[in-house]
Order: sequence, then structure tokens, then C-alpha cells
Amino acid sequence: AQTVTQSQPEMSVQEAETVTLSCTYDTSESDYYLFWYKQPPSRQMILVIRQEAYKQQNATENRFSVNFQKAAKSFSLKISDSQLGDAAMYFCAYRKSGGYQKVTFGTGTKLQVIP
Amino acid sequence: DVKVTQSSRYLVKRTGEKVFLECVQDMDHENMFWYRQDPGLGLRLIYFSYDVKMKEKGDIPEGYSVSREKKERFSLILESASTNQTSMYLCASRTEASPAKNIQYFGAGTRLSVL
Repeated sequence: AQTVTQSQPEMSVQEAETVTLSCTYDTSESDYYLFWYKQPPSRQMILVIRQEAYKQQNATENRFSVNFQKAAKSFSLKISDSQLGDAAMYFCAYRKSGGYQKVTFGTGTKLQVIP
Repeated sequence: DVKVTQSSRYLVKRTGEKVFLECVQDMDHENMFWYRQDPGLGLRLIYFSYDVKMKEKGDIPEGYSVSREKKERFSLILESASTNQTSMYLCASRTEASPAKNIQYFGAGTRLSVL
């Protein structure tokens, strides 16, 4: 079974600084997808960024980027120029390729942004 | 924008009560999911459905059942609520159609307390 591990339950970052959230996963599949979801306090969870395993290039969405290391099964999220609105729970997630596959989530990292 | 609506933000029920959690999505998505979210445990999949009247057990289906009579609506049922079912419940939907097929859209969540 696939597992997703987030070893940092909480992290903090100074406003305007950069922070990296860690995620590792375990799978025997070669084709899959990885995601970072953000859950702000009392608000809906939204997708931040996604990565297809077959793509070597790391995904980027504005201030958010990932470091995808397929051989190491590592998928970290880097947030640059951190803003107060980045404060949230961040969940790493995995999905096997193919139709009708479920998503496996990690336990989450709570990010605090210090003004 | 995709909208996933959960009928209640907060619910308080008594042990032994039958509880219905409702979820409606407005984007004609094939797949719908129910998760529970607990501190330190992340999101755990209870049930999912990939079509009307279809359902699949997730990782923690015990004590729950689901119903999907219409494509837009997915209900989670606690036949006899117990205190260990006190949790945050999240509904999500997803389409199999590209390019959005890897994005899960979440509702705002229902915080259920069983006394």
C-alpha cells in the first residue's frame, strides 16, 4: 500500500522568507501523481501544485515550487517570499495513475507565518 | 468554479443517533469522496463513489455507509453514532476528464461532535 509521510508536524517562517516543507512517499508504481494541498484555517482545502511522475521538470506555480526526487521518493514544497496568507495546513498527497484511483494523504504540516 | 457544498458546518449528535452528512457538487463530477480529518492522522478515506449507485470502501469504512442516488449528491451515514466518530468530515469530488482529472475539489467540512 502507498504511504505518504510528512515528518514536520509544524513549521514557522518569517514573512518574506522562504520555507521548505518535506514529504516522502512509498510506492512500487512508476507512473503516478503527487500533490500539495493547502487548508487555511476554517476554509476549504485547495490544490496548490501537482507533479506528474513521468515529468522530470519540477512543477512551479508562482511562489510555490516543488523539488521532486523520484529515485529518493521525495517531494518537497518550497514557498518563496512567504505571505501571511500562506499560513495553513499543508498536505502532501499521492495518486496512482489510471482511472478511478483514490488519493493517499500525509498527516499534514501546519505552517505559521510570523509578521 | 467548482462548488462542493456540505449541508452543515457543525453538528452535535447523541450517541446512538443516526446521522446523515450530505454533500452536493455542481460540476457533474463522476467521483465523490468522504474523508475524516483528525489531528496527527491527516485525511483518511472512508468511502468513495465513481458513479451513481456505485461505492467503494476506503481505508476506514467501519461504522459508516454511503448513498449515491444522484450524480451530484453523496451522503455519508453513521448508522449509530459513537463518540469515536467525533471528527471533521470532508467531502470531495473529482472528474475523470482531462485536464482537470487530477484535481480534487473539497467542501468546507462538517465538524461533528458525538456526545
